[in-house]
Amino acid sequence: GAGVSQSPRYKVAKRGQDVALRCDPISGHVSLFWYQQALGQGPEFLTYFQNEAQLDKSGLPSDRFFAERPEGSVSTLKIQRTQQEDSAVYLCASSGGRTTAAAQHFGDGTRLSIL
Amino acid sequence: KNEVEQSPQNLTAQEGEFITINCSYSVGISALHWLQQHPGGGIVSLFMLSSGKKKHGRLIATINIQEKHSSLHITASHPRDSAVYICAPSGGGADGLTFGKGTHLIIQP
Repeated sequence: GAGVSQSPRYKVAKRGQDVALRCDPISGHVSLFWYQQALGQGPEFLTYFQNEAQLDKSGLPSDRFFAERPEGSVSTLKIQRTQQEDSAVYLCASSGGRTTAAAQHFGDGTRLSIL
Repeated sequence: KNEVEQSPQNLTAQEGEFITINCSYSVGISALHWLQQHPGGGIVSLFMLSSGKKKHGRLIATINIQEKHSSLHITASHPRDSAVYICAPSGGGADGLTFGKGTHLIIQP
């Protein structure tokens, strides 16, 4: 597609359930970023992939969060045993460059609500 | 960690007014992004600049690397400019962007 696609657009889950969020980056983009945006706040960095390699996962808030990009294209962010504080918009961005000094293209995000 | 401050946090103006949003950061950078976020979450990249000034339509972005400060200007503002504007400095590495909290702009007709 022409842009970054995220699915689902909205996800409601009960506390304790596992969820998986998908990101389809722009074709050919090397870099892929995941961000978490709490209500009323700016996005916060979670993790970064360059092709299939996860080069930085320092922003993942706990070991319940796991991200993968096995073939260097589609990425999945998984959250295990969800908690209410996980409720946020999860944004994915891709870039043709290899650093953050390159334009990033954002998806519309997945709004996750944990009941 | 780069501390990013944006001002004002909220701004309401009348259609046609000249708008200025400011961004200051604490750590030297290689580039700074200005982003626009509409209700519903979609983020659009407006500018990425590392020096001087860039212009796109009614939008102008400036940066002073030495003073660690950037501004976003909107000329002849229009209600469709109503959105959250976020600045995000980049160290040029591969550790993700650091975002400001955003400026909530409302342009009234």
